Amino acid sequence: EVQLVESGGGLVQPGGSLRLSCAASGFTFSSYWMHWARQAPGTGLVWVSRIQSDGSKTWYADSVKGRFTISRDNAKNTLYLQMNALRAEDTAVYFCAREAYDQGQRWFDPWGQGTLVTVSS
Amino acid sequence: EIVLTQSPGTLSLSPGEGATLSCRASQSVSISYLAWYQQKPGQAPRLLIYGASSRATGIPDRFSGSGSGTDFTLTISRLEPEDFAVYYCQQFNNSWTFGQGTKVEIK
Repeated sequence: EVQLVESGGGLVQPGGSLRLSCAASGFTFSSYWMHWARQAPGTGLVWVSRIQSDGSKTWYADSVKGRFTISRDNAKNTLYLQMNALRAEDTAVYFCAREAYDQGQRWFDPWGQGTLVTVSS
Repeated sequence: EIVLTQSPGTLSLSPGEGATLSCRASQSVSISYLAWYQQKPGQAPRLLIYGASSRATGIPDRFSGSGSGTDFTLTISRLEPEDFAVYYCQQFNNSWTFGQGTKVEIK
């Protein structure tokens, strides 16, 4: 079964740091681009970051650029999101997702179940 | 950045009725790069449609997608109780943005 499982969320003070992990199973992790997206309470989905299959290239939303770092360990089938200088507005459920593709089409599937990050003093 | 605007914000319908959800893009989006997701409370999004009109594995045929350019539509032909949820469109043409969602609620 193709599966993504996030971990590492929790309560952190403003200005603090947290590292999220996303463990992949059931597919060849090293062949896929991977993403992080987030959802603040009661709001919609927002894309956060993307990493190329070999980890050589990354992309970020403007709101997290310079504070968040996406990375991956293909030997461990794991995706990471290092979050520094956290702000109250970073409070959200964070999802990892695989960017799947076929015949030029692209989509996110599967998604992980999400991990909650709360930034508060 | 391409902005996706979904309408209406909320649809109040009864089981058995049909639903039409709209997703309008601020710039043209290739049909290859438009997807739809369903999300229920406390759950991760679930892929429904990719390539604007291709149903994902296991998705019932009451769900269909259409459109091109800047206007895309998700149609649910006859609402089942499990279809009441929030629906998001997403584009991959330029960055990876989502619409703000349409909530389909029971009337």
